[in-house]
Amino acid sequence: GAVVSQHPSRVICKSGTSVKIECRSLDFQATTMFWYRQFPKQSLMLMATSNEGSKATYEQGVEKDKFLINHASLTLSTLTVTSAHPEDSSFYICSARSASDYEQYFGPGTRLTVT
Amino acid sequence: GQNIDQPTEMTATEGAIVQINCTYQTSGFNGLFWYQQHAGEAPTFLSYNVLDGLEEKGRFSSFLSRSKGYSYLLLKELQMKDSASYLCAVRDGDYKLSFGAGTTVTVRA
Repeated sequence: GAVVSQHPSRVICKSGTSVKIECRSLDFQATTMFWYRQFPKQSLMLMATSNEGSKATYEQGVEKDKFLINHASLTLSTLTVTSAHPEDSSFYICSARSASDYEQYFGPGTRLTVT
Repeated sequence: GQNIDQPTEMTATEGAIVQINCTYQTSGFNGLFWYQQHAGEAPTFLSYNVLDGLEEKGRFSSFLSRSKGYSYLLLKELQMKDSASYLCAVRDGDYKLSFGAGTTVTVRA
C-alpha cells in the first residue's frame, strides 16, 4: 500500500512555456502533499506544503506565482511551473501523507528540462 | 529552521559495516528519518526514530539521541546495491521534512 505516482516522469519544454506535473496518492487519502525540488548532487529542498481544499504554503524564496499548486482532492495535487526558464530545470518530487500516518510517501519524481 | 549535517562521502568494502552520522539543530523536532536515494530516483524510506535509542530493521539500524541532536544509520553486511546516497531528514511539528545534503556511500568489491 501507500503508493504515490507522478506524471509525467520526464518532460522537456521550451523556455517561456508552462508545465503541469501531477501527483496522485493511489491507495490512500492524502490530507497533505509536499512538493520538493532537487538540483544535481544536492539534497531535496521543500518548495511548498499543500493541504486539500486550502491554499498551499510556500517556503521562503519560492515564488508562489511561478509555481502554482492545486490540491483539489484528497488524491491529487498539481504543480504548474509557469513561464519556465532553463534555471527551473530540476528533479521535482512530491510526497503525500495521510492524517493517521507518521510517514511521507514519495512519488517517483519528474525530471524537467527547459530548453 | 533546521540545520542538518552529515558527511559528504563514505567508502566501504562489500561485507563491511558503515556508520553514517547526522547532527541537527532544530526549531522543532517531531522525528528523524533516514532515506536511501539512488541517482535519478526518489528517496525510499529506511527508518524512523522519534524516541531515544536504537531501531533495528534487518541490515539497517538507526540510533537517535535527542539531547545531543544526533543520529546515525548503521549499514551492516554491505552489498554492492547499497551504493547510494543516504539522506537524514528531520520533521517539525507541521510534518515538514528538512533534509541534510546526503551522504554518498560507495561499496567496493
